Amino acid sequence: AQSVTQPDIHITVSEGASLELRCNYSYGATPYLFWYVQSPGQGLQLLLKYFSGDTLVQGIKGFEAEFKRSQSSFNLRKPSVHWSDAAEYFCAVVASGGYQKVTFGTGTKLQVIP
Amino acid sequence: GAGVSQSPSNKVTEKGKDVELRCDPISGHTALYWYRQSLGQGLEFLIYFQGNSAPDKSGLPSDRFSAERTGGSVSTLTIQRTQQEDSAVYLCASREQANSPLHFGNGTRLTVT
Repeated sequence: AQSVTQPDIHITVSEGASLELRCNYSYGATPYLFWYVQSPGQGLQLLLKYFSGDTLVQGIKGFEAEFKRSQSSFNLRKPSVHWSDAAEYFCAVVASGGYQKVTFGTGTKLQVIP
Repeated sequence: GAGVSQSPSNKVTEKGKDVELRCDPISGHTALYWYRQSLGQGLEFLIYFQGNSAPDKSGLPSDRFSAERTGGSVSTLTIQRTQQEDSAVYLCASREQANSPLHFGNGTRLTVT
């Protein structure tokens, strides 16, 4: 069965600093991968997705993620964090090729300090 | 267009009562998912429906939980004999096809007193 691990429960960065949130998945083939963001009191919003092709994907709000098959990772990055990026970030995986259960990681809560 | 709609947005119920939570997915989306998010926790998969196939119920925590999807559209999640540990935000999501992302509703916050 597929699974997703987000090893960092909580991360604190200074505004303007770079950010990398880790995501590791377990699946036998190349899955579809997603990053979602949940701002306080808000619903989940899609940041970006990977299905195939270019392993570096660009998303909204200046985020990007890189799929590394050899490391079974799909880490989220942003070169310069803004205070408004403080939120909880979820990585998700679904088996490619058909309709399957979408599995989410436990989330990483990002705190941004001035 | 309209997004995923969930009702009620908030529900307070007494322990032991039954509750029904409703989800209206985006029109044309064939897959519908229910998740539960407890305070400070991630998203716990509950159940998912895909077209006319039998639903994947592998995430339902107990037989007090059930869900149905009528006419391939609206879904109802029912919790019988609610317990305090059922208190959480229940999220519904839908997606159009296999390589589409999930679109989430704003959730129903359930509080069991």
